[in-house]
Amino acid sequence: GAVVSQHPSWVICKSGTSVKIECRSLDFQATTMFWYRQFPKQSLMLMATSNEGSKATYEQGVEKDKFLINHASLTLSTLTVTSAHPEDSSFYICSGAVDLNEQFFGPGTRLTVL
Amino acid sequence: DAKTTQPPSMDCAEGRAANLPCNHSTISGNEYVYWYRQIHSQGPQYIIHGLKNNETNEMASLIITEDRKSSTLILPHATLRDTAVYYCIVRVQGAQKLVFGQGTRLTINP
Repeated sequence: GAVVSQHPSWVICKSGTSVKIECRSLDFQATTMFWYRQFPKQSLMLMATSNEGSKATYEQGVEKDKFLINHASLTLSTLTVTSAHPEDSSFYICSGAVDLNEQFFGPGTRLTVL
Repeated sequence: DAKTTQPPSMDCAEGRAANLPCNHSTISGNEYVYWYRQIHSQGPQYIIHGLKNNETNEMASLIITEDRKSSTLILPHATLRDTAVYYCIVRVQGAQKLVFGQGTRLTINP
């Protein structure tokens, strides 16, 4: 199957700082990328959908000014958590889709905000 | 997308077949059944999907009832590495979103 990477795999930051997470499709071009968040012992929750070259579509309840998504190329999307706070600590997972029939998930990034 | 219902947890002995049920009684005619799994602290992994016929690949088999209101994922010879949370998702082919429910936490015991 196709490979999606994320960087970093984990990050610890101080409250109030911003953190950028990269999501790359390594062997395919992802026309659409998705960002999910997963709190401990809970399921994945879709945060936003981004199409290359256009603005992301955010799910209800997700603050677009806090979670900045950039999808500048067919192989790279970034999620920036601005002014992170402890409640933003979570497991962030991206996925890429070649077409809309199958999504390939990254390994996830564990964010801890102190 | 139609809602799915799965048991919260299941146990299976190593080497035996693991049968994971999923109810999707409100599934529409154009909705497919997808299965993903998530091993602890990793991203989800695609397993298999189908519309109405039974499907088999190198990982698993998917059995869909004739009325399509339920399905079963079968791992024929479970190993310890199959311990994971298994998610059953129904969605229209080509739809963008994957909506994850709570899934079934499958534990394979030695």
